[in-house]
Amino acid sequence: SQQGEEDPQALSIQEGENATMNCSYKTSINNLQWYRQNSGRGLVHLILIRSNEREKHSGRLRVTLDTSKKSSSLLITASRAADTASYFCATGLETSGSRLTFGEGTQLTVNP
Amino acid sequence: NAGVTQTPKFQVLKTGQSMTLQCAQDMNHEYMSWYRQDPGMGLRLIHYSVGAGITDQGEVPNGYNVSRSTTEDFPLRLLSAAPSQTSVYFCASQRAGGTYEQYFGPGTRLTVT
Repeated sequence: SQQGEEDPQALSIQEGENATMNCSYKTSINNLQWYRQNSGRGLVHLILIRSNEREKHSGRLRVTLDTSKKSSSLLITASRAADTASYFCATGLETSGSRLTFGEGTQLTVNP
Repeated sequence: NAGVTQTPKFQVLKTGQSMTLQCAQDMNHEYMSWYRQDPGMGLRLIHYSVGAGITDQGEVPNGYNVSRSTTEDFPLRLLSAAPSQTSVYFCASQRAGGTYEQYFGPGTRLTVT
């Protein structure tokens, strides 16, 4: 079964607005990653947060991790039409950080 | 660097046929993985390898075989294709040493009729 569950399944916003996606997981983790997938393409790594970190930033991306609630959120600020894609969280097991389990993804649409 | 390459991009098989999906990476990554992605779903791990000569099963290994004779290549074999194996297949590689970031190929879209 999928380790991660993402919320919402789909999100539609206007350009310039912020987009927030959430991910919950079930077991103890070593790390949590976010990936982007444009339609018909492979996944591209966005950002990684380790289990001992609470917040991380990269450009317009902000990721938080709450290990007590087993949840993470990805915030994309000042969204652009080019941010339209599916976003997946992936968790690395505590025992094997390299083996990832993916959530079902959030489909983000940014309208110009 | 070409990164992770996969061939073919598209393939149609009849039930019972066998085939090999090719995956190669030129980044000298130790770890390689195969995933399948079904419509509206995330990726599920089929098989993975932590180095040449070492492979292990993932979440959904049945009906698939892998081998890793070189660092660069990690082919996925479908032994006897079934309609349930219709999916998009992604290969990924990862450098050892705790960075955990995976690099993905463009995918192979497989249809089994």
